[in-house]
Amino acid sequence: GAVVSQHPSWVICKSGTSVKIECRSLDFQATTMFWYRQFPKQSLMLMATSNEGSKATYEQGVEKDKFLINHASLTLSTLTVTSAHPEDSSFYICSASRGGIQPQHFGDGTRLSIL
Amino acid sequence: AQKITQTQPGMFVQEKEAVTLDCTYDTSDQSYGLFWYKQPSSGEMIFLIYQGSYDEQNATEGRYSLNFQKARKSANLVISASQLGDSAMYFCAMREAYSGAGSYQLTFGKGTKLSVIP
Repeated sequence: GAVVSQHPSWVICKSGTSVKIECRSLDFQATTMFWYRQFPKQSLMLMATSNEGSKATYEQGVEKDKFLINHASLTLSTLTVTSAHPEDSSFYICSASRGGIQPQHFGDGTRLSIL
Repeated sequence: AQKITQTQPGMFVQEKEAVTLDCTYDTSDQSYGLFWYKQPSSGEMIFLIYQGSYDEQNATEGRYSLNFQKARKSANLVISASQLGDSAMYFCAMREAYSGAGSYQLTFGKGTKLSVIP
């Protein structure tokens, strides 16, 4: 199998705090991880592509300093939403791939609510 | 221009009946892949079926089949014998050639909400 674990599944926090979301590939080495954002009743929008050991590639319009991505190992990538505000409230979902044309396996997502 | 178009925001189907969810795509690549994912209300993305652009046969996975019409650039998902548990959002996605970002990115359609009626 190819299991991806995402933690936490739900976060509620005050405006101005930073929130870290973890994405782990449990039974395979993920050369590449992807971070998506999904607003209610909308599709998944790719935020960034992260390769192990190198800087993430962000999509146009995504603030690098706002959404910090670290992919320090072949099994772990983290997304940190810095100084979160209510407009950052959304569903964030990661996926992991062995790289190349290998399929993406998704985590269960994190619902982030900023008060 | 949208790369993946799902024209049906919502669909209803009677339990045990078959249903087709539409997906058209736009690409100039010769090599690409098409995926269908199911997203229940809990949020996780469940992979259903994959079709490669060079695959001559339509993909099938249990009750799911993909009606791939390359000339029309369509990749419709057919669900046979619908079950109540099939009620969910369904997303069509495309993987094109190497993006330069280190791997092959997926582009998702806007989704179709399927409701199965008892």
